[in-house]
Amino acid sequence: EVQLVESGGVVIQVGGSLRLSCAASGFIFGNFMMHWVRQAPGRGLEWVSLISWDAGTIDYADSVKGRFTVSRDNSKNSLYLQIHSLKTEDTAFYYCAKDQGNYKGLDYWGQGTLVTVSS
Amino acid sequence: QSVLTQPPSVSAAPGQRVTISCSGSSSNIGNNYVSWYQQLPGTSPKLLIYDNNKRPSGIPDRFSGSKSGTSATLGITGLQTGDEGDYYCGTWDGVSVILFGGGTKLTVL
Repeated sequence: EVQLVESGGVVIQVGGSLRLSCAASGFIFGNFMMHWVRQAPGRGLEWVSLISWDAGTIDYADSVKGRFTVSRDNSKNSLYLQIHSLKTEDTAFYYCAKDQGNYKGLDYWGQGTLVTVSS
Repeated sequence: QSVLTQPPSVSAAPGQRVTISCSGSSSNIGNNYVSWYQQLPGTSPKLLIYDNNKRPSGIPDRFSGSKSGTSATLGITGLQTGDEGDYYCGTWDGVSVILFGGGTKLTVL
């Protein structure tokens, strides 16, 4: 059974930094592109970042470029999102999601971890 | 304001059919596959449709997808109260950026 479990969500002040983690199991993690998607409370989905299976392709939404860094450790079946210079508008549930491959959509999602940025 | 445009809400009675539209442009929907996601209250999103019209295993055939030009449509037949939630379209913009629609809230009256 595929499982994605995010962690690292906290209440943090504007300007702070944090790292989110996503532990994957139930599939060959090193074979798949992975994504981070966020959702502000009561709002819609916003794609944040992707990283290819070998980290050779990495991209970010314009809203987070320069402040967010995605990485992965295939030996630990783990995905990470480092966030710097937090803003109140970064307050959201952060989901990691597995890419099905070949532009076929995100087929598994974690339960999400909540980041609250306070002023 | 999302690049992909969905109606904010749709509603229909149990057993009826509803459609949700997703409008984009040639740089996204027009040249890429569309996926649809269901998010029931208090849960994570779930893939409903990929490759415009394919259903992952376990998704009932009450759910269907189609695409024409720069627009896509999700159809749901035999509506059930358990279908109430938010529905999002998604696609690629270029090679390595994903876009989501603003979401549509489905109410089963």
